[in-house]
Parts: sequence; C-alpha cells; structure tokens
Amino acid sequence: ETGVTQTPRHLVMGMTNKKSLKCEQHLGHNAMYWYKQSAKKPLELMFVYNFKEQTENNSVPSRFSPECPNSSHLFLHLHTLQPEDSALYLCASSQNTGLDEKLFFGSGTQLSVL
Amino acid sequence: QQQVKQSPQSLIVQKGGISIINCAYENTAFDYFPWYQQFPGKGPALLIAIRPDVSEKKEGRFTISFNKSAKQFSLHIMDSQPGDSATYFCAASTDYKLSFGAGTTVTVRA
Repeated sequence: ETGVTQTPRHLVMGMTNKKSLKCEQHLGHNAMYWYKQSAKKPLELMFVYNFKEQTENNSVPSRFSPECPNSSHLFLHLHTLQPEDSALYLCASSQNTGLDEKLFFGSGTQLSVL
Repeated sequence: QQQVKQSPQSLIVQKGGISIINCAYENTAFDYFPWYQQFPGKGPALLIAIRPDVSEKKEGRFTISFNKSAKQFSLHIMDSQPGDSATYFCAASTDYKLSFGAGTTVTVRA
C-alpha cells in the first residue's frame, strides 16, 4: 500500500457544508503538498508545507484552508465551496523541497460539490 | 497560462507497439523534467525523469528524449503492454513546484 494515505476516498457535500480532507504519510518525509486534479487539466499545485511551515499558497481561494500539525499529517478544511471545486484532491509528500525531489502521491479524495 | 503543453490527449496502441507522448515548454529556466504515470483510482507515481544536460534517458521500456533547443521532450514506451494502459503526465520545474501537462491517456489493445 502507498506510503501516503488519504481519507475519505469520496466526499459529496453541499455548498453550505464544512468538511475536512485528511492526509497521512508514513515515509518520514519533511514536505507535504495539496494538488487539485480536474478532468483534462494539468494538476494544480495548491499548498506546500515544509517542516510544518507553509511555503506556498498558489492563490487558492480562502474557502480552502490547509492545516499541517506535524510533518506526517496534512488537512484541507473546506467551507462554502462552489460546484466548480468538484475535483480529485491529491496529497503528496517528498523528502524535502529540492529541485528533483520525487513526489509520492496518495490515491486522492474525489470531491463532488452539489 | 499553461506552462507545459502535452499531446496527444489520448492514444491507442496495439500490444507490442510504440507509444509516443510529446511535451513542449516555454520557460527556459526549467531544469528538471519528470514523467508521472497514473492508473485509475490511484495517484500519480514517478516513472522517469531527466535533466537538460542529457539528451536521452532510458529505463527499461521507457525512454525520455530531450531537445533543449526546441524546448521539447517526449516519452517513448517501447513494446507497449496492456499493463501500460494509464494516464501519463509530463512536468517541468525550476524548483520543487512542478508544472504539469494536461495528461495523455494511453490504451494498449491486446
């Protein structure tokens, strides 16, 4: 099984709901990432954390709120989402944030916003 | 704007054939070019990567060809197998922030 575990695998929520996505990595990595994957589009980097500190926020709307309590866990808190936010949300980790770091992805959470 | 353009969007190849996926970029500062493979229901996984000081890199049946002057790179899958059926993403970066292509879905027919 992958070293990066994401829960839940599927999530359906209304626009007024609040939910959270969880990611856990068992690889001893120092960096964690959130990516958004929409059909037929490139993966979009959302947030990067390195040693629990946020190092990248790629102009993500405030209705997405990340949290990284330690180097092994990463959350994405969701509130008042829009239908266009429906996508596969992927968590990834890497040893560090160097140029040629290998990313290890989880299987993602398929989010549907109604 | 899309920093890495990938083509084709999908392709079908017979078992034993060659699959070729092409990517082009504009940012000459890009210094690392990986390819990721994604199976349905799974996250992407690193397949092979190249730095611009090398024109070709081969790992098993997978080969990256890199043309720095043309700002293009491609993935060749030799002797394609049904197990190679997946979506392939090229990417490029100057640091840890990868810019991905839109993906190519490869279907290998037995």
